[in-house]
Amino acid sequence: DQQVKQNSPSLSVQEGRISILNCDYTNSMFDYFLWYKKYPAEGPTFLISISSIKDKNEDGRFTVFLNKSAKHLSLHIVPSQPGDSAVYFCAASEDNAGNMLTFGGGTRLMVKP
Amino acid sequence: EPEVTQTPSHQVTQMGQEVILRCVPISNHLYFYWYRQILGQKVEFLVSFYNNEISEKSEIFDDQFSVERPDGSNFTLKIRSTKLEDSAMYFCASSEGAGGYNEQFFGPGTRLTVL
Repeated sequence: DQQVKQNSPSLSVQEGRISILNCDYTNSMFDYFLWYKKYPAEGPTFLISISSIKDKNEDGRFTVFLNKSAKHLSLHIVPSQPGDSAVYFCAASEDNAGNMLTFGGGTRLMVKP
Repeated sequence: EPEVTQTPSHQVTQMGQEVILRCVPISNHLYFYWYRQILGQKVEFLVSFYNNEISEKSEIFDDQFSVERPDGSNFTLKIRSTKLEDSAMYFCASSEGAGGYNEQFFGPGTRLTVL
């Protein structure tokens, strides 16, 4: 049951360019979407989130876009830096589900200097 | 900066043994969670805990699992009789409040290896 899916297991980008990570979901009850970043041997770290009533949220170099009709969200990182190299997880939650996060499978981003 | 801590970082156990994984959530947080990640797979929700009660659990969280907040600081996950398929990274998380807009802070994880 893959309610949240990240179709690209990996992405390689040149430093300074834009990184675009994609995520699709199937559960229309999701009302909040989050991106987490994970380095090896560490837990996921919150990056940015978006409510289902918005279509864009920006925080510095990071922007999340939500297309509810397509059940699709994306994370844009501009400009990409080598320190951004990590696994990025998309996650979603619904208000009536005890705060549980449903995660995608992750995308490994490699930013080359 | 406050953080969630977990001990041990790595636990090796024999199949059928009981294990207790420990977590110290961020001190002013009220909601606590356990997630796990089997190698190469997704991070999966196990259980959420609030006001000394389980508020939500997944189908993974069967009778072999239990959670407890034995004192004001620790939050534990017990697996009564471990199976090979319980081998995974177990992440504890905590949040200040309810709702998706309340960021869940994750600990570094405990790697459980069942032999």
